[in-house]
Amino acid sequence: QVSLRESGPALVKPTQTLTLTCTFSGFSLSTSGMCVSWIRQPPGKALEWLARIDWDDDKYYSTSLRTRLAISKDTSKNQVVLTVTNMDPVDTATYFCARMSASRNYFDYWGQGTLVTVSS
Amino acid sequence: EIVLTQSPATLSLSPGERATLSCGASQSVRSSHLAWYQQKPGLAPRLLIYDASSRAAGIPNRFSGSGSGTDFTLTISRLEPEDFAVYYCQQFGASPPYTFGQGTRLEIK
Repeated sequence: QVSLRESGPALVKPTQTLTLTCTFSGFSLSTSGMCVSWIRQPPGKALEWLARIDWDDDKYYSTSLRTRLAISKDTSKNQVVLTVTNMDPVDTATYFCARMSASRNYFDYWGQGTLVTVSS
Repeated sequence: EIVLTQSPATLSLSPGERATLSCGASQSVRSSHLAWYQQKPGLAPRLLIYDASSRAAGIPNRFSGSGSGTDFTLTISRLEPEDFAVYYCQQFGASPPYTFGQGTRLEIK
């Protein structure tokens, strides 16, 4: 069955770079049409889509965060990595990865999320 | 970028009642590009409805979605205790960026 799990530091300092890894199973990012996105949620607030990477290595980013985000994949390890530069306390949030198919407009499987706190 | 506005922000109802949640878009959204999710505290969102009106696998038939253009609705016909949660709509345009609504909190009255 499909599963995704996020991992990364729970605490980062302001100005540091955050690196998060999404490790998944039950599907392959080398399969045509498969995509993985990152979404975040500040405590008590709404969901915010961040980035997407496709099976063919196409990449898409949030308009407002484009300059600070980078998404990549390691198909052999079934992993997707998100980096966020110049972290700020407002970036404190639970970060989720989720699967979608390019031909189906929804996220059908989500990871449990990982809480990242930005504080000195 | 399409902005989604959900109303009401909070809906207070009793088990057994009917819930109607709205999602308005700042510009027209293709019906095949609108989804609804349910989120409970401490958990990831769960897909309820896709293509505006199709129920995801395992979702009870008391959940239904409707709408087109800029106005979409999620209806829960008879509320069960486990339905009290936060609900989000999301639009998938022809390509990213994607946007979520700010959520509707469904609470027990």
